[in-house]
Amino acid sequence: QSVLTQPPSASGTPGQRVTISCSGSSSNIGSNYVYWYQQPPGTAPKLLIYRNNQRPSGVPDRFSGSKSGTSASLAISGLRSEDEADYYCAAWDDSLSAVVFGGGTKLTVL
Amino acid sequence: QVHLQESGPGLVKPSETLSLTCTVSGGSISSYYWSWIRQPAGKGLEWIGRIYTSGSTNYNPSLKSRVTMSVDTSKNQFSLKLSSVTAADTAVYYCASVPRIVGANGYFDYWGQGTLVTVSS
Repeated sequence: QSVLTQPPSASGTPGQRVTISCSGSSSNIGSNYVYWYQQPPGTAPKLLIYRNNQRPSGVPDRFSGSKSGTSASLAISGLRSEDEADYYCAAWDDSLSAVVFGGGTKLTVL
Repeated sequence: QVHLQESGPGLVKPSETLSLTCTVSGGSISSYYWSWIRQPAGKGLEWIGRIYTSGSTNYNPSLKSRVTMSVDTSKNQFSLKLSSVTAADTAVYYCASVPRIVGANGYFDYWGQGTLVTVSS
């Protein structure tokens, strides 16, 4: 059972917009930055969003992050086949004094 | 661009100690903090802990009693030791860099390719 809660799966067709949610609590998302990682099959995770809504250099602006209260969301617009991957949210938890991850969401592009 | 490479035995016997090293290239080890993260097959990511080049560490409370991290700045390497392993410790182990900025907890900007460690007799 992960500290941060994500839906196990999401799907969309090419060109669509999909969102992936990440729910936490006041000790993690509510008081710290949220990060998002993309992990295509068989590869290492890659940083997608940092500090709630910032994109590292090289990440397309189709990817966006937001945070409100104790929840965060990752939005992917103009869905492409190469977006098919697992997506993880992460945040620091003040109570646990640890980085906590969501359980991951498997995105399927239909 | 920072490049990270994990190395170490791929097979460890139950009750023994898992030892991994991460070699940093393309940047100074002193420019970042360093973390270990693991992922059992078909499952999610688990943060193991982090180390600063000063040697200061923070470990996941769930693993704290068994984890030791160290850093060797002369070799641009940092290491993980996990003692008393069981089959539940079988996973892909990743090393990752953490920028030296305020609020960077959870911020892993470069990752190694990962190394599979299997715990089995």
